[in-house]
Amino acid sequence: EPEVTQTPSHQVTQMGQEVILRCVPISNHLYFYWYRQILGQKVEFLVSFYNNEISEKSEIFDDQFSVERPDGSNFTLKIRSTKLEDSAMYFCASIRWGEGRGVSYNEQFFGPGTRLTVL
Amino acid sequence: DAKTTQPPSMDCAEGRAANLPCNHSTISGNEYVYWYRQIHSQGPQYIIHGLKNNETNEMASLIITEDRKSSTLILPHATLRDTAVYYCIVNEGSSNTGKLIFGQGTTLQVKP
Repeated sequence: EPEVTQTPSHQVTQMGQEVILRCVPISNHLYFYWYRQILGQKVEFLVSFYNNEISEKSEIFDDQFSVERPDGSNFTLKIRSTKLEDSAMYFCASIRWGEGRGVSYNEQFFGPGTRLTVL
Repeated sequence: DAKTTQPPSMDCAEGRAANLPCNHSTISGNEYVYWYRQIHSQGPQYIIHGLKNNETNEMASLIITEDRKSSTLILPHATLRDTAVYYCIVNEGSSNTGKLIFGQGTTLQVKP
């Protein structure tokens, strides 16, 4: 079965550095998402992306964050200047869309996550 | 904030049915009930969803009350690999963003 992949699995960076987290969503999916999970806390929505633009973002997703779909397969999350509090698991997800039911439901497929550690 | 309420933890004996309850008393008519689970910091995994009727797939069954204010996820024969955090999420099916709002979920511990 197709799956969402993410690279790297673990990223260690110094505070203030830029990081790019990469995701390859499932090929025929059209909606893409980033979530994060700080250790011991709940999964939090960051941003949704459709038709090459952001469709919704949370208040966590400030100017330090950006997303891009640079080609037909990759979906990236960039953090421009990392802070200690950005340390978390970052999950990419994409949606199975339609199957004859239009927009009536969605099933999100999550990647395995990237653990970001900011020192 | 999450629109659902779940018990923080439950135990279940291996091989027995695990029944995980969820309250969603403010659910609106076009909102689906979704269940996801997260096994030890892996990415969340979709389990099942429903609108009004009970649903069953290869993983689980979902029982939704007639007034839709609560539901129960049933794992018919729990195994040790079902130990995970289970999330009940309500989400408008016609939403053009499809974002999921996770609560704290129920930590299910399946014991031998």
